[in-house]
Amino acid sequence: KNQVEQSPQSLIILEGKNCTLQCNYTVSPFSNLRWYKQDTGRGPVSLTIMTFSENTKSNGRYTATLDADTKQSSLHITASQLSDSASYICVVYSSGTYKYIFGTGTRLKVLA
Amino acid sequence: GAGVSQSPSNKVTEKGKDVELRCDPISGHTALYWYRQRLGQGLEFLIYFQGNSAPDKSGLPSDRFSAERTGESVSTLTIQRTQQEDSAVYLCASSLKGQGFSETQYFGPGTRLLVL
Repeated sequence: KNQVEQSPQSLIILEGKNCTLQCNYTVSPFSNLRWYKQDTGRGPVSLTIMTFSENTKSNGRYTATLDADTKQSSLHITASQLSDSASYICVVYSSGTYKYIFGTGTRLKVLA
Repeated sequence: GAGVSQSPSNKVTEKGKDVELRCDPISGHTALYWYRQRLGQGLEFLIYFQGNSAPDKSGLPSDRFSAERTGESVSTLTIQRTQQEDSAVYLCASSLKGQGFSETQYFGPGTRLLVL
């Protein structure tokens, strides 16, 4: 069954600290993986997209990694800011079913 | 427009009433998606429109749910005889091309539906 699991479910960190969010998937065949940021009361916004051949991709303080062999991805946030408080959603696209499979997200809270 | 817009932003209704939710996609985007997001849950696919092709309705949870789209513009999601379990945020997204191209989806702010 095509699934995307994220951990932790929620996370609280202090401003300025780093954190890493995890995404494990069983989607096959795999096409690409996206990380979205969803602020409270808003729709998700794309942060990064990674294809099978990409291992690392950065977008400012956000760095995503992908290990297609172990079917794992991580999103690392450096020097966190209060505005990073949001839900982070991992989405895998299956080229077999033409479907986007969404994880349940990690809710991050950055405290001053 | 600058982005995907949805209306209303919030809707409170009584059990058994019908509701209509509206989505205005980004101009020129041929693909449009509806998702449901229950509190603390992930996004649940409902329906997908691609140009003039027959929509993919495989995610609609029951025959109380239906959606229409006029050409490549506005879409409405209708929920008939609402139930309390329908309470959720309904998100609309659009992309330039269809699912087969695996493009980035641009999401609207959602409509928060509360069924009393």
